[in-house]
Amino acid sequence: DSGVTQTPKHLITATGQRVTLRCSPRSGDLSVYWYQQSLDQGLQFLIQYYNGEERAKGNILERFSAQQFPDLHSELNLSSLELGDSALYFCASRLGASDTDTQYFGPGTRLTVL
Amino acid sequence: TQLLEQSPQFLSIQEGENLTVYCNSSSVFSSLQWYRQEPGEGPVLLVTVVTGGEVKKLKRLTFQFGDARKDSSLHITAAQPGDTGLYLCAGAITFGGYQKVTFGTGTKLQVIP
Repeated sequence: DSGVTQTPKHLITATGQRVTLRCSPRSGDLSVYWYQQSLDQGLQFLIQYYNGEERAKGNILERFSAQQFPDLHSELNLSSLELGDSALYFCASRLGASDTDTQYFGPGTRLTVL
Repeated sequence: TQLLEQSPQFLSIQEGENLTVYCNSSSVFSSLQWYRQEPGEGPVLLVTVVTGGEVKKLKRLTFQFGDARKDSSLHITAAQPGDTGLYLCAGAITFGGYQKVTFGTGTKLQVIP
C-alpha cells in the first residue's frame, strides 16, 4: 500500500459524458501528478500540482482539467469523453519536487468509455 | 518533447538467466528512475539515479546512469519468476521547483520457472 488513494477503482461511462477522478496523496506530500496509461501510448504524464498550484503540464488534452484543493487532494476532470480516453489513470504523490523525492503511485482508476 | 525508448519491448527468459534492459533518449535528464509495475497496479519505484556514470545495486538488480545522463540500463542477474512484470524507466527534468517526468515505452519481462 503506497498510501495514495484513488477513487473510483473502475468507471464505465458513455461517449460525450463527463467524469471526475479523485486522488488523495500520502500524508505530508505536497506534489500530485496525474498520468494516463493506455495499451498503445504507455504511461503519459498529464499534469503536476504542488501545494495547490499547477507546476508542470504534459500531454493533457483541453477536454481534461485538474485541480489540487487546500487539503491537497486532487481531482482530474475528463469531459466530452471519447472512446480513446479509455485507459488507466494514475495519481502519484511526492513530498516535494526534488529529484531525490520518491514518487508513490496510487492503485489507479480504470476508465472505460463505451 | 522528450522521448525515452526502451529495449527490448518484451523479453521472455528462463529462471536463472541474466538480462539487460536499455533506456535511451536524446535528451539530458536531471534524474532517472526505474519502476516495476504489475498488472492492475501502479508502478513501484526501484531506484533513482542522479549523477552521470552512477551505478546502483539492489540485490540482483544493477542500475547504471549514462555519463551524459541521457541513457540508463537495468541488469538483472539470475532472474526469478518474481521478477516478472513491466519495467519502466522515467526521466525527470527539474527546473526551479518544477518537474516534468517522461516515462519510457516499457519492457515486459516474463521469467519462466
